Amino acid sequence: EVQLLESGGGLVQPGGSLRLSCAASGFSFSNYAMSWVRQTPGKGLEWVSAIGDSGYNTYYADSVKGRFTISRDNSKNSLYLQMNGLRVEDTAVYYCVKEQWVTVAGTPTGLFDYWGQGAPVTVSS
Amino acid sequence: DIQMTQSPSSLSASIGDRVTITCRASQTISNCLNWYQQRPGKVPKLLIYAASSLQGGVPSRFSGSGSGTEFTLTISSLQPEDFATYFCQQSCRTWTFGQGTRVEVK
Repeated sequence: EVQLLESGGGLVQPGGSLRLSCAASGFSFSNYAMSWVRQTPGKGLEWVSAIGDSGYNTYYADSVKGRFTISRDNSKNSLYLQMNGLRVEDTAVYYCVKEQWVTVAGTPTGLFDYWGQGAPVTVSS
Repeated sequence: DIQMTQSPSSLSASIGDRVTITCRASQTISNCLNWYQQRPGKVPKLLIYAASSLQGGVPSRFSGSGSGTEFTLTISSLQPEDFATYFCQQSCRTWTFGQGTRVEVK
């Protein structure tokens, strides 16, 4: 059974830092790209960052570029999100998400097939 | 960036109704379009991928169609467990979600 368990969320002041972790189990972690997605009542779902299976390729939403860093440790089946320079608008529930890529009619297409339960992050003074 | 716009933002429907939700992309995305369901207090669940492919275990009353910039999610006969929020997502260039459509009891 695939499980994704986030940790590290909490309350932090504007300008502060947090590191989210995601412990993965039930699948061959090193074979899959992973993403972080956040959700707020007002803005809905927002993709934050992604990392390739080897950890070499990383991608970021413009809203977090230069402040957040995604990484992974395949020996520990773990995904991380280092968040620096936090802003009030970063307040959200952060989900660790497993990516799956399939080929449909000859075209590769990506999807999010498993989600963690989410880690709440509150940025407030 | 590719923007995704869903309509309506919310709708009221009764058990047994046919429900259609639309998602429009700001530029063509071929069939790089997924649909998710999120029940209250739960995490999103994949329903449809590549615009029209049903994820394993998802009831056949859910279907998706479209290509290019306009896509639809259809629930053929609404069931009690289908009252939820539905999100579209493009996967052609990184990832972008629509703002969601809340399906409520009429």
